[in-house]
Amino acid sequence: QVQLVQSGSEVKKPGSSVKVSCATSGGAFTRTTFSWVRQAPGQGLEWLGRITPIHDTTHYAQKFEARVAITADKSTTTVYMELSSLTSDDTATYYCARDAARGYYIDHWGQGTLVTVSS
Amino acid sequence: EIVMTQSPATLSVSPGERATLYCRASQSVGNNLAWYQQKPGQAPRLLIYGASTRASGIEDRFSGSGSGTEFTLTISRLQSEDFAVYYCQQYEYWPPYTFGQGAKVEIK
Repeated sequence: QVQLVQSGSEVKKPGSSVKVSCATSGGAFTRTTFSWVRQAPGQGLEWLGRITPIHDTTHYAQKFEARVAITADKSTTTVYMELSSLTSDDTATYYCARDAARGYYIDHWGQGTLVTVSS
Repeated sequence: EIVMTQSPATLSVSPGERATLYCRASQSVGNNLAWYQQKPGQAPRLLIYGASTRASGIEDRFSGSGSGTEFTLTISRLQSEDFAVYYCQQYEYWPPYTFGQGAKVEIK
């Protein structure tokens, strides 16, 4: 049973950074790919990027490439997403997700972490 | 970047009826399309991948079809738990994975 358990809600000031964690279990961590997807209040889904822990390969959406970093800790099977230079437009629920083995879609999702950016 | 466009934005359907949702890609994505369901306050759930293959545990009243640029999600015999927002996602060309803007199925 795959489980993705994310860290709790955060409130951040504009210009600061946030780092969200995702503790994973129930799967072959290093051979799996994990994505991060966000959802602003009342809006749709937006993909930020992904990581494959076996070789720490990352891919990012061009929109976020300059200020997002996705990392993985193999010893704790935890994935992290750090977003810097926050603005109010970054207020959203951030989801950790596991990519399917058969393709680049998502078959398991974390519970989401609300990040609020406010002065 | 591939743009995914869903229609209609909102569909009002009575329980027990059929709902049909559409997703169009700005260029051909083959059959590399997934559908997700999202209920309020919850994470999305995978329904369909490969345009027409139901994910594990998904009820057979959900079906997907299409290829290239035009795709359809059909929910036959709508049940109360099916009223939600549905998203399509292409995974032919990435990064980025791109989603449609969502389509809400509401009770008529």
